Amino acid sequence: DIQMTQSPSSLSASVGDRVTITCQASQDIGDYLNWYQQTPGKAPKLLIYDASTLQTGVPSRFSGSGSGTDFSFTISSLQPEDIGTYYCQQYDNLPLTFGGGTKVEIK
Amino acid sequence: QVHLRESGPGLVEPSETLSLTCGVSGYSISTAFYWGWIRQPPGKGLEWIGSIYHSGSTNYNPSLKSRVTISVDTSKNQFSLKLNSVTAADTAVYYCARGLYITVPGDYWGPGTLVTVSS
Repeated sequence: DIQMTQSPSSLSASVGDRVTITCQASQDIGDYLNWYQQTPGKAPKLLIYDASTLQTGVPSRFSGSGSGTDFSFTISSLQPEDIGTYYCQQYDNLPLTFGGGTKVEIK
Repeated sequence: QVHLRESGPGLVEPSETLSLTCGVSGYSISTAFYWGWIRQPPGKGLEWIGSIYHSGSTNYNPSLKSRVTISVDTSKNQFSLKLNSVTAADTAVYYCARGLYITVPGDYWGPGTLVTVSS
């Protein structure tokens, strides 16, 4: 199985701050990486696929980059509605696997 | 707009079979696409259970493969999950989603349903 390692596991930032989360795969996955947002009590929501492509309707303050084994996810200006947990997921190989999640809070 | 919704018992006894159905609206399952199941134990992360193609071809997580069956009913536009011999470790919120396969992201998800395994 491909292991996905996310960091940090949690962060606290102020409204308007730039926030970056990293995700490392245990082997080369090309650009087959998704980022999901999960707000409390809700299902995950796809924000970015293919490492850097913004899903339709997702605000442009969200972005992703990387390829191979090292990836990053950025919120350019943190908003109150962005609180929740963010997960990376590889879909290059079965079984599909997720990172452990990064909980984002407002300071 | 594509909508999915999970349905099934919220309480299952240990050693019994967990059965859930995912109803799909706004898209015909028989057209194409993969359809998958994910679970999330309380307070923990996400685990892929398995996915099915509209034709009925399936792929399962090896960690659950011996206990899982996913099937599709195109006439009812729904797909189903069966997990047998459940234990307390199978207590989780179960989500269904469109996609969730190699090179296919999960773009539409159901709201999830909590299944508790307890006597």
